[in-house]
Amino acid sequence: QKEVEQDPGPLSVPEGAIVSLNCTYSNSAFQYFMWYRQYSRKGPELLMYTYSSGNKEDGRFTAQVDKSSKYISLFIRDSQPSDSATYLCAMSYTGGGNKLTFGTGTQLKVEL
Amino acid sequence: DTAVSQTPKYLVTQMGNDKSIKCEQNLGHDTMYWYKQDSKKFLKIMFSYNNKELIINETVPNRFSPKSPDKAHLNLHINSLELGDSAVYFCASSQGDKNSPLHFGNGTRLTVT
Repeated sequence: QKEVEQDPGPLSVPEGAIVSLNCTYSNSAFQYFMWYRQYSRKGPELLMYTYSSGNKEDGRFTAQVDKSSKYISLFIRDSQPSDSATYLCAMSYTGGGNKLTFGTGTQLKVEL
Repeated sequence: DTAVSQTPKYLVTQMGNDKSIKCEQNLGHDTMYWYKQDSKKFLKIMFSYNNKELIINETVPNRFSPKSPDKAHLNLHINSLELGDSAVYFCASSQGDKNSPLHFGNGTRLTVT
């Protein structure tokens, strides 16, 4: 079993929909949680960065962390075709030398 | 004005050859990383350097040797390339090695034939 599990999709939604992307993890030592967006043939781009449990909002994006359930989510409101990409969750723990453990990514397509 | 830049972008080579990938960052960060992304998009860390000192060395074959001449540069040399080395290699950087977010380059797509 991988340390971080993420549904690979693909997930196809109409423009304007609310998108929910999720990851589960098994290592309770993880404390730092990130979401990256990766367009085709590009590097991962940091979207959201959170520490421990709680919510964080940035524009159309909201990240949620539930450490008790070992579950993190990314919500995208009013999705746009430009949001079509692969979304990767990543996490790390204190003392790990900033080693990120990634999920396998969810491919999202927002259709007109 | 690219923050993390890698060269080359594409690399096609034959089995048994030796090749290098270069990475430079102009963000003023002191920690740099190499990650490998396989055909299923799974990203896995290979190495990290903090101020030219090796911090993370995952279970990577000895044929892979990173070198950091200064904190803005991290190169990856690969000896005796194998078919299984085909992947996208990403360089990244961060400020410090204490859980600060990583900034990635756009990758080097290596194909071994």
